[in-house]
Amino acid sequence: EAGVAQSPRYKIIEKRQSVAFWCNPISGHATLYWYQQILGQGPKLLIQFQNNGVVDDSQLPKDRFSAERLKGVDSTLKIQPAKLEDSAVYLCASSLGLAGLGETQYFGPGTRLLVL
Amino acid sequence: KNQVEQSPQSLIILEGKNCTLQCNYTVSPFSNLRWYKQDTGRGPVSLTIMTFSENTKSNGRYTATLDADTKQSSLHITASQLSDSASYICVVSRSGGYNKLIFGAGTRLAVHP
Repeated sequence: EAGVAQSPRYKIIEKRQSVAFWCNPISGHATLYWYQQILGQGPKLLIQFQNNGVVDDSQLPKDRFSAERLKGVDSTLKIQPAKLEDSAVYLCASSLGLAGLGETQYFGPGTRLLVL
Repeated sequence: KNQVEQSPQSLIILEGKNCTLQCNYTVSPFSNLRWYKQDTGRGPVSLTIMTFSENTKSNGRYTATLDADTKQSSLHITASQLSDSASYICVVSRSGGYNKLIFGAGTRLAVHP
């Protein structure tokens, strides 16, 4: 089965610019997650979708970050405008049901963002 | 406060040796605990997942233990290989609602020849 796909793999932008990341989850997976992973730290949940509804976006900086999951499949995460502290790896993951209830999470390779 | 603490932060061992990574958590109420392996430049991959009633689970050379009374878990790696060099992340699920996952910072393991 195909894994979670993410693009681009790498992105370098200047502060105050905008950037968008794309994620295609495993087919049939209802739950989709976006994580931010700063070097040397564990992943931090930004937003979790169940189909096309938001389950948790409590740690999403809503003044600059936005995410959508149209038709309950693909998802995009946008940062506008970017700050230096946004430099991180952005991981997308998916699971058949809720990972917190025991479902296995599958992660994509991540997008490495560098903000200069 | 619901937290997951891992130790050591980093570890260097020689190929063929065994090692044990520790995870202590204060998450309550507890639902399940999982260990992920994250190779450099890749996303995490699930190794094991344990519920409250399970105290040991193996996946090849990886064996995870769980003591729900002391809120501790360990990941034991037997006969290490160079390919075991990675970060190992402990994740605890908090029961309630959608059962939020709480991630540890990980232990960085380097296996040297």
